[in-house]
Amino acid sequence: DGGITQSPKYLFRKEGQNVTLSCEQNLNHDAMYWYRQDPGQGLRLIYYSQIVNDFQKGDIAEGYSVSREKKESFPLTVTSAQKNPTAFYLCASSIDTRKDQPQHFGDGTRLSIL
Amino acid sequence: EDQVTQSPEALRLQEGESSSLNCSYTVSGLRGLFWYRQDPGKGPEFLFTLYSAGEEKEKERLKATLTKKESFLHITAPKPEDSATYLCAVQARGKLQFGAGTQVVVTP
Repeated sequence: DGGITQSPKYLFRKEGQNVTLSCEQNLNHDAMYWYRQDPGQGLRLIYYSQIVNDFQKGDIAEGYSVSREKKESFPLTVTSAQKNPTAFYLCASSIDTRKDQPQHFGDGTRLSIL
Repeated sequence: EDQVTQSPEALRLQEGESSSLNCSYTVSGLRGLFWYRQDPGKGPEFLFTLYSAGEEKEKERLKATLTKKESFLHITAPKPEDSATYLCAVQARGKLQFGAGTQVVVTP
């Protein structure tokens, strides 16, 4: 089945530690996105990528980094500079960013602080 | 500033009791409005895209409509399996902006 796979489902971070969240898609989509979801708030865009080896900051990029070395993969690193990392992180993809097509989401990674 | 507001925040329905959720928006250059369903601990599941005022889309017990300033998601004769959080998102100026969602609980 085509879809978006996020791993792990749950992740714990220690103080001063960087952690990486995985996102893989087999939908052959060009565009990929990372969002953060906090209770009572709408999803907020962290980073997005329209094509391999290219990505742009979203609204809340500080303390996060990404890479896009392969079309299928868009990992997100939560660095120690992100002071409030506890949240539900969602990865999404769409055909591309220009055609106003819907984004399709993975099932998320819940990150907590130890 | 672009804004997407959903109301109510929460809705409790008896099985079979129809109702509507609202998504109002203030954005420049609307390119599309999307409705998603999200179950606890899961990612949002795409339901509908609406592109222009007057457009309607239907899927089972759900019907989405769009005007120039808001969209409604009508739930007709809901069942307990319709319980979820429903998210509205607006595509404008190259970005997708989400509302905070409406949590719907349908009791037998």
